[in-house]
Amino acid sequence: KQEVTQIPAALSVPEGENLVLNCSFTDSAIYNLQWFRQDPGKGLTSLLLIQSSQREQTSGRLNASLDKSSGRSTLYIAASQPGDSATYLCAVEETSGSRLTFGEGTQLTVNP
Amino acid sequence: DAGITQSPRHKVTETGTPVTLRCHQTENHRYMYWYRQDPGHGLRLIHYSYGVKDTDKGEVSDGYSVSRSKTEDFLLTLESATSSQTSVYFCASRDSGANVLTFGAGSRLTVL
Repeated sequence: KQEVTQIPAALSVPEGENLVLNCSFTDSAIYNLQWFRQDPGKGLTSLLLIQSSQREQTSGRLNASLDKSSGRSTLYIAASQPGDSATYLCAVEETSGSRLTFGEGTQLTVNP
Repeated sequence: DAGITQSPRHKVTETGTPVTLRCHQTENHRYMYWYRQDPGHGLRLIHYSYGVKDTDKGEVSDGYSVSRSKTEDFLLTLESATSSQTSVYFCASRDSGANVLTFGAGSRLTVL
């Protein structure tokens, strides 16, 4: 059974800092990996999707990397802002169209 | 949350009563999912659908049933609600295995 772990569970940083969020998964035979953002009381918003054949994806200040062999992904946030405060979740899909397995998320607080 | 709506957004009910949550999407997406989100467990898949009248169980399907009679609607039914089903329920949809997952805003259910 696929298990997804995100460490740390919570992170607090000062504004402007670059930071890395970690995601690990137990079965490296994945189809893709997604990073989501969730604001309090809201649904999830997809940030980046990395196909299994890709090593990284970038969107603005966000960069996600994928290392299938080691079962790890990282989400790098450059020059963090208070508006980045949210919970960040990663999810892996094992085959096309199958269910996604989610981590519990990292709650990020960026202090002004 | 554009294109996918959940109703009701909030509901309080009593143990033993039936409850139906509705998910409606206007994206003509093939795949639809119901997740529940609980502290300490993250997001867990309840049921999913890969087409009209085609559904399958997720990891926490006991006590839940689903129906999909039209592409745009995916209903989640709790036949006899229990306190352990108090949770926030999220619906999600997507077009194919390569596309990102779009989430609804969630339905908060409290079973007294």
